[in-house]
Amino acid sequence: ENVLTQSPGTLSLSPGESVTLSCRASQTVDSRSFAWYQQKPGQAPRLVIYAAVNRAPGIPDRFSGSGSGTDFTLTINRLEPEDFAVYYCQSHIKFGRGTTVEVK
Amino acid sequence: EVRLVESGGGLVQPGGSLRLSCVASGFTFTDYWLNWVRQAPGGGLEWVANIRPDGNELNYGPAVRGRFTVSRDNAKNSIYLQMNSLRVEDTASYYCARNRGSEALDFWGQGHLVTVSS
Repeated sequence: ENVLTQSPGTLSLSPGESVTLSCRASQTVDSRSFAWYQQKPGQAPRLVIYAAVNRAPGIPDRFSGSGSGTDFTLTINRLEPEDFAVYYCQSHIKFGRGTTVEVK
Repeated sequence: EVRLVESGGGLVQPGGSLRLSCVASGFTFTDYWLNWVRQAPGGGLEWVANIRPDGNELNYGPAVRGRFTVSRDNAKNSIYLQMNSLRVEDTASYYCARNRGSEALDFWGQGHLVTVSS
């Protein structure tokens, strides 16, 4: 069973700061199946990054994904107020437990 | 406009049954796998089940296998989740979401709450 571990659990940041979220898999992952989602309170998850490095339609270019094998990252440059949310990584049918990016 | 709209949730007693529906519009339904993903209150995302475009392959997560059944009606652009032998721990918002095979879930419904409680 592949386990996805996200770190840190919570980040407290200010608008304008940049952040890198981490997702580590316990087994090698096919990058084509790796994705990041954003979820705001009371809303459904929204696809941010697919196939590890590709932005989903409508996602601003301040979001970028990288990684391969077992280590993947999501970087958000210059946080905007609307970026504060929970971010989940996913590979196939497994999700990480999420990283909360909150306002400091 | 792509839309996925879930319905059929509500309150049910432990051991009971419930059927969720998800109606799709705005895209070619038969081009996509459809998935059910759930989220317990205050919790993370858990993949529940999915079904191939032709309906001939079904997959389930370990927590629901043997109790839940996913199906689809391509003529009605709909998928369903029949949930039997419900447990308190099945309490969650249930989302339907589409993808192409092993690719990312690129669109999600708004979710529907199922509460299992006596």
